[in-house]
Amino acid sequence: AQKVTQAQTEISVVEKEDVTLDCVYETRDTTYYLFWYKQPPSGELVFLIRRNSFDEQNEISGRYSWNFQKSTSSFNFTITASQVVDSAVYFCALSEASEYGNKLVFGAGTILRVKS
Amino acid sequence: NAGVTQTPKFRVLKTGQSMTLLCAQDMNHEYMYWYRQDPGMGLRLIHYSVGEGTTAKGEVPDGYNVSRLKKQNFLLGLESAAPSQTSVYFCASSYSILETSGRSKPYNEQFFGPGTRLTVL
Repeated sequence: AQKVTQAQTEISVVEKEDVTLDCVYETRDTTYYLFWYKQPPSGELVFLIRRNSFDEQNEISGRYSWNFQKSTSSFNFTITASQVVDSAVYFCALSEASEYGNKLVFGAGTILRVKS
Repeated sequence: NAGVTQTPKFRVLKTGQSMTLLCAQDMNHEYMYWYRQDPGMGLRLIHYSVGEGTTAKGEVPDGYNVSRLKKQNFLLGLESAAPSQTSVYFCASSYSILETSGRSKPYNEQFFGPGTRLTVL
């Protein structure tokens, strides 16, 4: 069975600090996709990134960066110079591929609080 | 395009009442999904559909029924609501892509609706 673990339940940082959100996954599939979603206080889910299992290159998008390491089954997310607007719940998810639909398996989420 | 919409946005039910949550998408997507979100547990899949007229169970299907009579709509029903069904419900959809082999498979990204907050007293 597939599983996603986000061990950090809640993280508090002061503005401008860097913060890393951890994500560890389990799967027997050789082809899979990993995602990060942001859920701000307004409640909607905001897609941040998708990474397939064959692409281990790290990615940077502005203040966001992602580190994918298949050897440790991790897909960690770093926010550089955090801002108050980054305060949200962040979910890591794994896509279970099948011909019946790509079902997403989510981690429990990490609450990030950025204080000014 | 409105994307994925959910009706209603909020609802309060009494134990034993029934209701239907509507998910609609205008992107002509084949695949649709219903998730529930509970504190500390992330989102969990309730039911999903791979096309009009077909549905399947997800991780937590008990107490829910679904129907997909039209491609653009995916209904989630609670026949007899229970307090344990207090949650935020998210609908999502995704489309299929055609492989070079000619076989169709689901695209890996899902597009989410804004959510429905349901409270069962």
